[in-house]
Order: sequence, then C-alpha cells, then structure tokens
Amino acid sequence: GENVEQHPSTLSVQEGDSAVIKCTYSDSASNYFPWYKQELGKRPQLIIDIRSNVGEKKDQRIAVTLNKTAKHFSLHITETQPEDSAVYFCAASKNDMRFGAGTRLTVKP
Amino acid sequence: GAVVSQHPSRVICKSGTSVKIECRSLDFQATTMFWYRQFPKQSLMLMATSNEGSKATYEQGVEKDKFLINHASLTLSTLTVTSAHPEDSSFYICSARDPWTDTDTQYFGPGTRLTVL
Repeated sequence: GENVEQHPSTLSVQEGDSAVIKCTYSDSASNYFPWYKQELGKRPQLIIDIRSNVGEKKDQRIAVTLNKTAKHFSLHITETQPEDSAVYFCAASKNDMRFGAGTRLTVKP
Repeated sequence: GAVVSQHPSRVICKSGTSVKIECRSLDFQATTMFWYRQFPKQSLMLMATSNEGSKATYEQGVEKDKFLINHASLTLSTLTVTSAHPEDSSFYICSARDPWTDTDTQYFGPGTRLTVL
C-alpha cells in the first residue's frame, strides 16, 4: 500500500521568512496530492492540491511542486505570518488517501 | 462548497458501552465516505472506506466487529464503536467526496472527540 513520509516534523521560522515542507510517496499509481492545514482540535482544511499531470501550482503565498519521477512533492509558503502556525499534512491518493505524519509549523512574530 | 457535518462533536462514555457517530454530507451526495482516527499529536489514520449500499472496506488492523460502519444513504454514514475501552479514546474524523464535481478532493467533517472512562 501507499506510504507517505513527511519532513520535517517541526519547523520554526521568523515572520516573513519562507517555509518548505517535503513529502515522499511510494505508490507510483497515486495521482492526487493535497495539503491540509489543521489547527488544534479542528478539522483538516485543504489549502492546495496538485494532480499528477501538473508539476507546479501556486495560490498566492502557497505553492506546491511535484516530481513524479522521484515521487516527492513539496509545500512552499512564502512571507509567512503568525496565523500560518498550525500542523500541515501532506497526503497521496489514488482511491483512498494516505497522510504524512505532519509538520508543526511555528511562525514567530 | 461541499460541507460535511459530524455529530456529536464530543462524547464521554463509560467503558463497555457503545457510541454512534454520524457523518453527513449536507449539500451533496456522497457515494463514498471515509473514517479516520487521530491520536493526540499524530496523523490521520484511515480506518475504513464506507460505500453507500454495500459493506465497508476496513484497513488492516481495524476490527470490523468493533467499529461498525453503516452507509445506508447517499448523505449519511455512521460509525459505531462497540464495547468501547479507554484505548479507543481518540479524535474520529469522517470525510466525503462529491463524485459529481471532483472525484479526488475529500471534505472533512469537524471531528468527534471520544473519551472512554
């Protein structure tokens, strides 16, 4: 089955800096790669996703890149703000979705 | 956008009792729903895939007789934790896909925090 690895587990950046979170997946059949932001006690919120026929996608301060050959994808957040502080999960999906272990991002003002 | 609700939001029960959690898609029909469990500071672990009108598909290691799933309509799936024990205490989250607009995106419910005393 699919195995998703996510790094780093924790990330602390200064406000205004960029943050990068990386994930790898094992099943080459996976074709959908979403990123979720989860605040304590809340549901995961989809922030951006990418499909296997696209190499990069950007939405304002958030971008995701996908390397199908290497089976890895990354989340990039630029100009970070304190409200970006949360746990971020990557996931890989074909029919069902498997999540990475999560990254706790802290943005210090 | 697609909205998924869950009820109850939190429940406390005694060991040995059963607890039912409901997951509803409010503005779309979901042929497939998913149930996840999340322990504190951990990731979401898929427990089972719930298919409308048929039996659920359980992940390895998840006891189907303990976690009963029923998906009797296109807008409702239920998870019943039978004979709950303290180790079942967790955050249970459901998700659903809207097959008519996007076959990939999963929309999550707000979760149910179960505490078994």
